[in-house]
Amino acid sequence: DIQMTQSPSSLSASVGDRVTITCRASQSISSYLNWYQKKPGRAPKLLIYAASSLQSGVPSRFSGSGSGTDFTLTISSLQPEDFATYYCQQSYNTPRTFGQGTKVEIK
Amino acid sequence: QVQLVQSGAEVKKPGASVKVSCKASGYTFTSYPISWVRQAPGQGLEWMGWISAYNGNTNYAQKLQDRVTMTTDTSTSTAYMEVRSLRSDDTAVYYCARVNRLREIFYFDFWGQGTLVTVSS
Repeated sequence: DIQMTQSPSSLSASVGDRVTITCRASQSISSYLNWYQKKPGRAPKLLIYAASSLQSGVPSRFSGSGSGTDFTLTISSLQPEDFATYYCQQSYNTPRTFGQGTKVEIK
Repeated sequence: QVQLVQSGAEVKKPGASVKVSCKASGYTFTSYPISWVRQAPGQGLEWMGWISAYNGNTNYAQKLQDRVTMTTDTSTSTAYMEVRSLRSDDTAVYYCARVNRLREIFYFDFWGQGTLVTVSS
C-alpha cells in the first residue's frame, strides 16, 4: 500500500494568514493526488484533484502543487470558514489511501 | 444537481450485519463508480472500496475484503454497502462518494451526508 504522510498534523493560524500543508507519498504517484476538506459532522469536500486542478466552486485562495512524491496545499489568505481538517489522498492505485489529516485551528 | 442521499443511523450488536444505502440523483447513475469511505471516531478517512455502477465490478480494501459487499440497483440509482460480522472498531460514519476522473486520475467529487453505524453490545 502507498503510505501518505501529511505535515504538520495540526497548525494554528490567524485569519488572513498564508497556510501551507505538505503531503508526501511513500512512492512516486505522478499527479494522482487529491485534497479534501473535512469539517465535524459534515461530509468531506473535494478541493483539488490531479494535484493542481481546482474543483468547480472552490475559492481560488486554495491551490495545489507538486508531483512525484511531494505535494502541497496552499491557502493564500485563511478565512474563518477554512478552519477544518485537510486530507490528501492518492489515486495512483488501490487502496486509495488518505493522509492522516492536518487540522487547521484558530490562533 | 448531483445528490447522494444515504440511509439513517444504525445501532448493531457485535457479530451482526449492516447495510447502508446511497441513492443518487442529478446525473446518469451508470456513468460513474461509487466509492465508500469511513471515519471512525477521532480518526482519519479510510477508503473501503468501490463499485462500478455500469457493470457491478468491485474493488475492496484488503482488510475488509472478507466482510464487505458493495452492490448497486440501477433501476433505483442506489448503491449499497454491507458489512458483516460487525466489531466494535467498525463503529464509524460511513460515506458514499461519486467517483469522477480526469484522464486516469480518479477523485471523489460528490459525497453523501454520511451514516453513523454504532456497534455496541
